[in-house]
Amino acid sequence: DTEVTQTPKHLVMGMTNKKSLKCEQHMGHRAMYWYKQKAKKPPELMFVYSYEKLSINESVPSRFSPECPNSSLLNLHLHALQPEDSALYLCASSQVRTGSNEKLFFGSGTQLSVL
Amino acid sequence: RKEVEQDPGPFNVPEGATVAFNCTYSNSASQSFFWYRQDCRKEPKLLMSVYSSGNEDGRFTAQLNRASQYISLLIRDSKLSDSATYLCVVLGSSNTGKLIFGQGTTLQVKP
Repeated sequence: DTEVTQTPKHLVMGMTNKKSLKCEQHMGHRAMYWYKQKAKKPPELMFVYSYEKLSINESVPSRFSPECPNSSLLNLHLHALQPEDSALYLCASSQVRTGSNEKLFFGSGTQLSVL
Repeated sequence: RKEVEQDPGPFNVPEGATVAFNCTYSNSASQSFFWYRQDCRKEPKLLMSVYSSGNEDGRFTAQLNRASQYISLLIRDSKLSDSATYLCVVLGSSNTGKLIFGQGTTLQVKP
């Protein structure tokens, strides 16, 4: 069982909807990540939070809005998505962001379908 | 050229076979290297880190060749349960702290 919990596991939304993906970890990790993964492709980094501050935004469209309320929680707010945004959204955490100890622990993901 | 390159496969092998995957990376400043395993419709999970001296975990052996900028994963005595996609992951320079994923190599172990 993963120690990174994501909800919901599946989400179907229309292009005018607003929804949020949630991620929680209780391993005391100080870095948290959002990745997007399309079928048969590797995960693509979207955002990195380090010590609750946004440290990397990989030029993600503003219809994706991350939020880190505290060191254990990470949200991804979705608004006005496009069908091409349909993908598996993975949350991950690691002890710290930089250095050699960059082992990622992934949540099981949210499978998002945008209609 | 992609930063991390893998042969996507699929590699189809019989049970009990030994199979090896290679992965090349372009940034000579890369510091840390990992193999992750991903089952269909599941999240990636860390299989093993890769150290300069090489490391072994049961049937799995990982090697790093900095001079040629590649890492390898050897699986001995393949099991049906080894069927998965194996992702080569490289930490770029520590300034960014970004992990770079290869495309993944798909392994199918047949009975």
